Amino acid sequence: AQSVTQLDSQVPVFEEAPVELRCNYSSSVSVYLFWYVQYPNQGLQLLLKYLSGSTLVKGINGFEAEFNKSQTSFHLRKPSVHISDTAEYFCAVSNAGGTSYGKLTFGQGTILTVHP
Amino acid sequence: DVKVTQSSRYLVKRTGEKVFLECVQDMDHENMFWYRQDPGLGLRLIYFSYDVKMKEKGDIPEGYSVSREKKERFSLILESASTNQTSMYLCASSLGGTVYTEAFFGQGTRLTVV
Repeated sequence: AQSVTQLDSQVPVFEEAPVELRCNYSSSVSVYLFWYVQYPNQGLQLLLKYLSGSTLVKGINGFEAEFNKSQTSFHLRKPSVHISDTAEYFCAVSNAGGTSYGKLTFGQGTILTVHP
Repeated sequence: DVKVTQSSRYLVKRTGEKVFLECVQDMDHENMFWYRQDPGLGLRLIYFSYDVKMKEKGDIPEGYSVSREKKERFSLILESASTNQTSMYLCASSLGGTVYTEAFFGQGTRLTVV
C-alpha cells in the first residue's frame, strides 16, 4: 500500500516571494512521483514528474522539485511566485514496476494563495 | 493535444436516482480512470479500465459501477445515488501498458445529490 502526505493544507505567500510545498510518501516499492496543479474550476495539469535519473526535476511555470529517497520526500519549490500561481497543488505517486497501469495515489492537496 | 471530455460540468440529482457520468477521450488511450475529489482528501481512485470491457476496482468502489463498451468511452454509474456521493468526479486517460504513462484529466463533473 502507498500513501502520500502533504504537510500543509494551505500556504499563503506574497507575490515574488519563494514558496515550498511539502510532500512525503510511504511505499514498500519503488515509486514514480508527480506534482499536479488544479486551477479553479479546471481539471488537473501535470507540473512535473520524477521517473528516474537526476533527483532535481524541473517543470512548467518555473517550478522544480527534489526527490529525497532517504527522507521519502518530494517537495515542490518556486523561487518567485506570481498571482497566477494561485491554485491547488497535488502530490501523487505511482508504482514504478509491476502491473500498476499508472494508477495514482494522491495527497490531500495544498491550496497556494498568492497575495499582491 | 489529448482531450478528455466529461459530458457534464455540473449535475444535480435526487437521492435514489441512477446516475451516469460519461467520459470520452480522443487519443486512442487504453487506460481510463475515474477519481473522486473531496476537500481535504485529495483524489481517490474509484475504478479503472485497461481495455475495452476490462475493469478493476480502485480504492473506493462501493456504490459505483463502470462500463467500457468502446475504447474511447468510460462511464461511471451510481446505481442509487446518495447524498454522500456529492463530490467532484474526475476522469483521466493514459496511453496504455502496465506501467506508468502520463495521465490526462478531464475538467471534472461536480455532482450534487439532494
